[in-house]
Amino acid sequence: GENVEQHPSTLSVQEGDSAVIKCTYSDSASNYFPWYKQELGKRPQLIIDIRSNVGEKKDQRIAVTLNKTAKHFSLHITETQPEDSAVYFCAASLTGTASKLTFGTGTRLQVTL
Amino acid sequence: EAGVVQSPRYKIIEKKQPVAFWCNPISGHNTLYWYRQNLGQGPELLIRYENEEAVDDSQLPKDRFSAERLKGVDSTLKIQPAELGDSAVYLCASSLGPGFPGKYFGPGTRLTVL
Repeated sequence: GENVEQHPSTLSVQEGDSAVIKCTYSDSASNYFPWYKQELGKRPQLIIDIRSNVGEKKDQRIAVTLNKTAKHFSLHITETQPEDSAVYFCAASLTGTASKLTFGTGTRLQVTL
Repeated sequence: EAGVVQSPRYKIIEKKQPVAFWCNPISGHNTLYWYRQNLGQGPELLIRYENEEAVDDSQLPKDRFSAERLKGVDSTLKIQPAELGDSAVYLCASSLGPGFPGKYFGPGTRLTVL
């Protein structure tokens, strides 16, 4: 089955700096890669996703890059703000009838003033 | 639109007791997922339904867990009997179809087994 590794497990940045979280996956057939933000005690919320036919996707301050050859993808948050503090999960999935999200272990991001 | 609804939000039981969780997906969403999230970890899929059919239950511990989605809308996940290791947050999610897995999560049920 799919295995997703995520690094770092914790990340502390100063407000205004950039944050980068990296994930690797094992199944080369995976073709859908979402990122979720989970605040303490809240549900995971989809913040951005990318499909395998795209190398990069951007939405305001967040962007995701995908390297299919190396089987890794990354989340980039620019101009971080205190409200970005949360746990971020990457995931990989096969779409279609075999769809199944495999999540990484999460990165706790702390944005300090 | 209303989001995924789950109840109860919290449940505390003693080991060996039964427990049930309920989920109502977003209207029109044919695909429903149950995930388990242990403390400090990412969610793990337990079962996926396409309408009323369970199409992936390979991660469901079938000796004690069961699930149903009789009319292809709301769903119930049951544990009987509960064990200490079952303490976790149980998340329900729904999507229009398998092309967008787990896109909309419910608030979860936090289960504590004493």
